[in-house]
Amino acid sequence: SQTIHQWPATLVQPVGSPLSLECTVEGTSNPNLYWYRQAAGRGLQLLFYSVGIGQISSEVPQNLSASRPQDRQFILSSKKLLLSDSGFYLCAWSGLSTDTQYFGPGTRLTVL
Amino acid sequence: GESVGLHLPTLSVQEGDNSIINCAYSNSASDYFIWYKQESGKGPQFIIDIRSNMDKRQGQRVTVLLNKTVKHLSLQIAATQPGDSAVYFCAEKKSSASKIIFGSGTRLSIRP
Repeated sequence: SQTIHQWPATLVQPVGSPLSLECTVEGTSNPNLYWYRQAAGRGLQLLFYSVGIGQISSEVPQNLSASRPQDRQFILSSKKLLLSDSGFYLCAWSGLSTDTQYFGPGTRLTVL
Repeated sequence: GESVGLHLPTLSVQEGDNSIINCAYSNSASDYFIWYKQESGKGPQFIIDIRSNMDKRQGQRVTVLLNKTVKHLSLQIAATQPGDSAVYFCAEKKSSASKIIFGSGTRLSIRP
């Protein structure tokens, strides 16, 4: 069966520091991968998605970036965090032959 | 752009009663619809889906109804239990697209 991992689970970072969140998927090949952000009590905002290694589509212009160095690995990064980057970051995957997206456990990021 | 919206942001239901969560969508080209459940501090969990060639689909204690004429989607939860307390998101997608469009969410609370 497929599983999706995210780490760390929680993170507290100072303003201006760098960020690296990692997401990995097991049990599937060539997944579509997604990064979402969720503000407290709000809905899901799509940040990036990838349909293959090295292929990244950005949905919202901001100081975040994403990379996909391996087929089942998706990384969300920032060179300098802003207060507004605080939120709950969710990674998701979908299969090539399926429409459903499955979510990871999320990373709670607090920027102080 | 197209969006998926929800009629009610919060819903309070007596334990044991049935819950009905409603959702309106605006993109008539969408042909796949999903309901997710998100418990506090966790990633969204897939509940049930339905394709546009169906009007109704049943799962364990849940039923999704699709009315394409008025672009309306609903989730019915039978015999609501305390464990059903969560935020419920509807989502829509075109099968040819990589992205899912999420609604803003409905918080379901259960009264003892």
